[in-house]
Amino acid sequence: QKEVEQNSGPLSVPEGAIASLNCTYSDRGSQSFFWYRQYSGKSPELIMFIYSNGDKEDGRFTAQLNKASQYVSLLIRDSQPSDSATYLCAPMDSNYQLIWGAGTKLIIKP
Amino acid sequence: EAEVAQSPRYKITEKSQAVAFWCDPISGHATLYWYRQILGQGPELLVQFQDESVVDDSQLPKDRFSAERLKGVDSTLKIQPAELGDSAMYLCASSLVDVGSDSYEQYFGPGTRLTVT
Repeated sequence: QKEVEQNSGPLSVPEGAIASLNCTYSDRGSQSFFWYRQYSGKSPELIMFIYSNGDKEDGRFTAQLNKASQYVSLLIRDSQPSDSATYLCAPMDSNYQLIWGAGTKLIIKP
Repeated sequence: EAEVAQSPRYKITEKSQAVAFWCDPISGHATLYWYRQILGQGPELLVQFQDESVVDDSQLPKDRFSAERLKGVDSTLKIQPAELGDSAMYLCASSLVDVGSDSYEQYFGPGTRLTVT
């Protein structure tokens, strides 16, 4: 059974601080990893993807991957109230299918 | 910017009625996915197409659900008859899945919110 574990939250972070979202996965065959943001009542929106161990930065977002530890994380710097959403971690399996966690609800407090 | 199109955005139907959802993927995306998402959970894959062929429909309740992608472009998901437990968000996503360019990202449409009464 392929599983993805995320802290359901809510994770409350002050505006301007760094939000840290974590994810562990069970499928050692996963090579590609995706982070989606989902606002309430809306569809998931791709914000980051990472394929190699290490860090990948895109604006205020940094994805971190450690395949040996089966761990992937997303850092959001200078958090804004508009970042308040549920963040979904999704490794991809060998059939090009995403394995979904239940997501972490992030709340940015002004 | 290219987007995945879905319609309708909202649908209210009575149980035992038939309902259909339509999806038009991003142009050139050969892989299309239909998901169902219940509040508080991650999306659940219902069916995956590669061009016009079904790759995986193992989680599709085939007694009442059907999906097709006849010309390998747009796709239709049907439920007949609808049950109260089918109330959920139905999402369509598409992907290029290009091994040569290392491109596997899935892009979602806006979804269809289904309410069965």
